[in-house]
Amino acid sequence: NAGVTQTPKFQVLKTGQSMTLQCAQDMNHNSMYWYRQDPGMGLRLIYYSASEGTTDKGEVPNGYNVSRLNKREFSLRLESAAPSQTSVYFCASRDASGNTIYFGEGSWLTVV
Amino acid sequence: SQQGEEDPQALSIQEGENATMNCSYKTSINNLQWYRQNSGRGLVHLILIRSNEREKHSGRLRVTLDTSKKSSSLLITASRAADTASYFCATDRKASGTYKYIFGTGTRLKVLA
Repeated sequence: NAGVTQTPKFQVLKTGQSMTLQCAQDMNHNSMYWYRQDPGMGLRLIYYSASEGTTDKGEVPNGYNVSRLNKREFSLRLESAAPSQTSVYFCASRDASGNTIYFGEGSWLTVV
Repeated sequence: SQQGEEDPQALSIQEGENATMNCSYKTSINNLQWYRQNSGRGLVHLILIRSNEREKHSGRLRVTLDTSKKSSSLLITASRAADTASYFCATDRKASGTYKYIFGTGTRLKVLA
């Protein structure tokens, strides 16, 4: 039972490069989320998706785009990476019946 | 801005002691949840308390909720070295057909053997 799977685990980017973080869940959850975690800042919500084909901005959406092409997958794209986007990124999905959020193991992104 | 704020930011105790951490939030909620994060890992759900509940237990965990003060506390009894982790509270906010979950800044707990 994989749960929430994120790739890549680690990535180093140069300023201005683009990349996509992939996330997939096998729990048939409707809602999915992308968070970033910076030291001392806790987790901040970037984007979320209530269901396939819908996405909404969270607290810190600037510099990011997302795609929810199907129920399983929710990707996060950095079009032009900036050093301020150096962070740990977590994908999560929500169990509607129990309101529990299940997290992936995180993606460590460094922008130099 | 952060919906939840935990305090203390860091806590160091001896094995066997109890650990208490607090969470304050700003807006009305449906439920409040506590999560644990081991270093370098994702967050794991510990316990959920609904807005109409005042106290909930799960094993060595006890959570209280005071909606009038917009605060919650997590008590870990008889702590163990394996409890060393960061603990986060999360509050929900209904939006766009689902719920948004806003996390606090976390309490880093260190349990000394």
